[in-house]
Amino acid sequence: GENVEQHPSTLSVQEGDSAVIKCTYSDSASNYFPWYKQELGKRPQLIIDIRSNVGEKKDQRIAVTLNKTAKHFSLHITETQPEDSAVYFCAALKAAGNKLTFGGGTRVLVKP
Amino acid sequence: GAVVSQHPSRVICKSGTSVKIECRSLDFQATTMFWYRQFPKQSLMLMATSNEGSKATYEQGVEKDKFLINHASLTLSTLTVTSAHPEDSSFYICSARGPRGANYGYTFGSGTRLTVV
Repeated sequence: GENVEQHPSTLSVQEGDSAVIKCTYSDSASNYFPWYKQELGKRPQLIIDIRSNVGEKKDQRIAVTLNKTAKHFSLHITETQPEDSAVYFCAALKAAGNKLTFGGGTRVLVKP
Repeated sequence: GAVVSQHPSRVICKSGTSVKIECRSLDFQATTMFWYRQFPKQSLMLMATSNEGSKATYEQGVEKDKFLINHASLTLSTLTVTSAHPEDSSFYICSARGPRGANYGYTFGSGTRLTVV
């Protein structure tokens, strides 16, 4: 089955700096890669996603890059703000499948 | 669009009792729903895939007789934790995906924090 590794597990950045979270996946058949933000006790919220026919996608301060050859994808948050503090999860989905496989999560702390 | 409602948000029950958690898709039909369990500071662990009108598919290591799943309609799936024990205490969260071809991703319910005393 699919295996998704996520690094780092914790990330502390100064407000205004950038944050980068990296994920690798094992199954080359995976073709959809969403990123979720989860605040304490709340539901995961989709913040950005990318499909395998695209190498990069950007939405304001958030961007995701995908390297299919290397089977890794990354989340980039620029100009971080305290409200960006949360746990971020990457995930991967196979084209023919239905189940999302999640990474282990990254706890991001943005210090004012 | 694509709102998933989950109830209750919190429940405390006594050991040995059963607890039912509901997951509803409010503005779309969900042919497939997913049930996850999340331990503190950990990732989401898929427990089972709930398919409307058919039996749920359980992940390896998940006891189907303990975690009963019913998906009787296109908008409702339920998870019943039977004969609950303290080790079943956790955050349970459902997710729904609309029919293939619809522009719906995976939408999560708000989660249920179960405490078994």
